[in-house]
Amino acid sequence: EDQVTQSPEALRLQEGESSSLNCSYTVSGLRGLFWYRQDPGKGPEFLFTLYSAGEEKEKERLKATLTKKESFLHITAPKPEDSATYLCAVQAANTGFQKLVFGTGTRLLVSP
Amino acid sequence: KAGVTQTPRYLIKTRGQQVTLSCSPISGHRSVSWYQQTPGQGLQFLFEYFSETQRNKGNFPGRFSGRQFSNSRSEMNVSTLELGDSALYLCASSLDGWGEKLFFGSGTQLSVL
Repeated sequence: EDQVTQSPEALRLQEGESSSLNCSYTVSGLRGLFWYRQDPGKGPEFLFTLYSAGEEKEKERLKATLTKKESFLHITAPKPEDSATYLCAVQAANTGFQKLVFGTGTRLLVSP
Repeated sequence: KAGVTQTPRYLIKTRGQQVTLSCSPISGHRSVSWYQQTPGQGLQFLFEYFSETQRNKGNFPGRFSGRQFSNSRSEMNVSTLELGDSALYLCASSLDGWGEKLFFGSGTQLSVL
């Protein structure tokens, strides 16, 4: 069974204090790994898609990396507006189409 | 360009009732997926529709059903509501669905009393 585990469950940072969020996965053939950001009262917002081990993608203060067993979301010099829940999801190659398996997320709070 | 629109935003029902939720995808998107989000389980896949056909289904009981219309708008129905059905129901759309990023709506918060 495909599975995604995210850690830590919650993370509190001071503004400017860099850190990383972890996403470990087991999947029968990875088609893609996705990172989303979710603000309270809203639906998830797409951040990155990673397709193969060694791939990296960046957007502003965020950088996502992928290995064969896990992905990291690195947050450099975070700001209070980066506070949100970050979700990781995988799409298996054999499950078809838009069935994503999500982790339960990491709640990030950045204090000024 | 308008985003994914879900209605209603909030819904309160009692056990045993049924409910219908609506989703209008981004214009031009033909794939619509539905997810249930609860604090304990996170987001769980319900089903996905493409060109009015259900292409994929998650592990939910038959009380959960959906459909898609010719204009790509989608509805999901939950019959014989149970307390455990209380959740945020999220709809997401994409162009054709294969490995693409999803655009989510803000969801319908369903409370079953």
